[in-house]
Amino acid sequence: KQEVTQIPAALSVPEGENLVLNCSFTDSAIYNLQWFRQDPGKGLTSLLLIQSSQREQTSGRLNASLDKSSGRSTLYIAASQPGDSATYLCAVRNSGYALNFGKGTSLLVTP
Amino acid sequence: DTGVSQNPRHKITKRGQNVTFRCDPISEHNRLYWYRQTLGQGPEFLTYFQNEAQLEKSRLLSDRFSAERPKGSFSTLEIQRTEQGDSAMYLCASSLQGLNTEAFFGQGTRLTVV
Repeated sequence: KQEVTQIPAALSVPEGENLVLNCSFTDSAIYNLQWFRQDPGKGLTSLLLIQSSQREQTSGRLNASLDKSSGRSTLYIAASQPGDSATYLCAVRNSGYALNFGKGTSLLVTP
Repeated sequence: DTGVSQNPRHKITKRGQNVTFRCDPISEHNRLYWYRQTLGQGPEFLTYFQNEAQLEKSRLLSDRFSAERPKGSFSTLEIQRTEQGDSAMYLCASSLQGLNTEAFFGQGTRLTVV
């Protein structure tokens, strides 16, 4: 059974800092990995999808990397802003259709 | 295209009552998924449709839960004889066909069973 772990569970940084969120998974036979953002009481917003054959994806200030063989992904956020405050979720797709999610990293960016 | 739409956004019900949620996926997406999320946890997969066919169900989906997608467009999730443990956020997602397609989520339906 795929297990997805996100570290740290919570993170507080001052505005302007660069930061890294970590995601690890136990079964490296994945098709892809997707990073999501979730604001309190809201649904999920897709940030980036990395296919298993890719090493990284970039969107604006976000960069996600994937090391499938070691079962790790990182989400790098450059020049953080208070509006980045949210929970960030990592999810992997193995065979089948379901996404397997971690518990998320709760990020607070203080002005 | 307004994205994935879920109704209602919030539902409070008494234990033992039946509830039904609706999900309208992105119009060209033939895949539709239901997930459940409790506080402090990541979403957990419940079930999946490709067009009108329900192709996969999680063991989390007890016999009190039923999902339909009658015409391959919108979907409903019904919970019968609700229990306090059913209180959660119910999330719907949709995607195009393919293993490397992006899943898009709705805003969710927050269920509170009192």
